[in-house]
Amino acid sequence: DTEVTQTPKHLVMGMTNKKSLKCEQHMGHRAMYWYKQKAKKPPELMFVYSYEKLSINESVPSRFSPECPNSSLLNLHLHALQPEDSALYLCASSQDSLGFQPQHFGDGTRLSIL
Amino acid sequence: ILNVEQSPQSLHVQEGDSTNFTCSFPSSNFYALHWYRWETAKSPEALFVMTLNGDEKKKGRISATLNTKEGYSYLYIKGSQPEDSATYLCASLAAGNKLTFGGGTRVLVKP
Repeated sequence: DTEVTQTPKHLVMGMTNKKSLKCEQHMGHRAMYWYKQKAKKPPELMFVYSYEKLSINESVPSRFSPECPNSSLLNLHLHALQPEDSALYLCASSQDSLGFQPQHFGDGTRLSIL
Repeated sequence: ILNVEQSPQSLHVQEGDSTNFTCSFPSSNFYALHWYRWETAKSPEALFVMTLNGDEKKKGRISATLNTKEGYSYLYIKGSQPEDSATYLCASLAAGNKLTFGGGTRVLVKP
């Protein structure tokens, strides 16, 4: 069983919808990440939260809005997405954001934009 | 842009055989190298985090070496089993504390 839980596992939404992806970990990790993975491509970093503060935004379009309500939860709010945003969205956590600790990943949310 | 390359993209291994594959990364501005195993329909699982030149890590039948001066890491699987079938991802940590992933090596172990 994965220690990082992502919901929903699958999401189909129209371009005008608003939805949210959720991620939860209870390992006491202080860094949390969102990655986007397109088919046959490596995961690409989107956002990094460190101690509940946004520390890295990889020039992600504003239609993706991250939120870290507390140290265990990470959300990704979606609004007015485009078909090219269809992808697997992975959440991960690690003890800290320095990069020398392994990241623990969730199973991902497979997002399809109609 | 940090280029992390993995080769081969895929390989088929007979059960019981050993195999290895490569991760190449820029040797300048190197901080750490991560290896992950990603089985279909599961989440990526951390295998190793390596930082020192010449370092070797081992986990069961899987081991890895690191050469930071020339910018490569090898992952070895000894006596491959069907459960080793997965995509193996490496990721390089550079300045800014960001991981850049390679494209992965997809391993299929044939019984």
